[in-house]
Amino acid sequence: EVQLVQSGTEMKKPGESLTLSCKASGYIFTTRWIVWVRQMPGRGPEWMGAIYPDDSDTRYSPSFQGQVTFSVDKSINTAYLHWSSLKTSDSAMYFCAKYKRVGHPDAFDIWGQGSTVIVSS
Amino acid sequence: DIQMTQSPVMLSASVGDSVTISCQASQNIDKYLAWYQQKPGKAPKFLIFKASGLVDGVPSRFSGSGSGTEFTLTISDVQPDDFATYYCQQHLSYPLTFGQGTKVEVK
Repeated sequence: EVQLVQSGTEMKKPGESLTLSCKASGYIFTTRWIVWVRQMPGRGPEWMGAIYPDDSDTRYSPSFQGQVTFSVDKSINTAYLHWSSLKTSDSAMYFCAKYKRVGHPDAFDIWGQGSTVIVSS
Repeated sequence: DIQMTQSPVMLSASVGDSVTISCQASQNIDKYLAWYQQKPGKAPKFLIFKASGLVDGVPSRFSGSGSGTEFTLTISDVQPDDFATYYCQQHLSYPLTFGQGTKVEVK
């Protein structure tokens, strides 16, 4: 079964750093782009960007460029989303997902279950 | 950026009804449109790819159509499990963008 399993809920203070993880299984990790999606309470999903696990090629949405960093560890089939200094406005649910086909961009066929991030002083 | 606009924002339906959700792109996206269903606290579920391709395992009462800038998602014979929020998404070019969503609620 193809799956993306994300790390759990995080409660952080403004200015702290944070890394979320997304572990893939059931397919060849290096052949599909992984995307990160933000969803704020009561709002629609927002594409943050994508990373290609084979060579770490990345595409960032202009809205998130410079605010977050994507990375992967191919040895453990895991993608990461990192903040170096959180803001209260980063509080949201974050999903990873993968593209349906080889190549990019594409639709997202498999999603992780989501990670909740709460940033509060 | 390509803007995606859905209508209506909310619609009320009864079990057995047929409902249609519209999605308009701000520029030509050919057929590079996907539809997702989302329930509260859950990840979106992939329903339709390339505007009209039904994802494996998705009931045939869901159908998509359109190309260019105008698209529709139709649910015929709405079932209790279909009450949810639906999003369209263009996957022609970066940055990828979603519509604001259409909530299908119980009448």
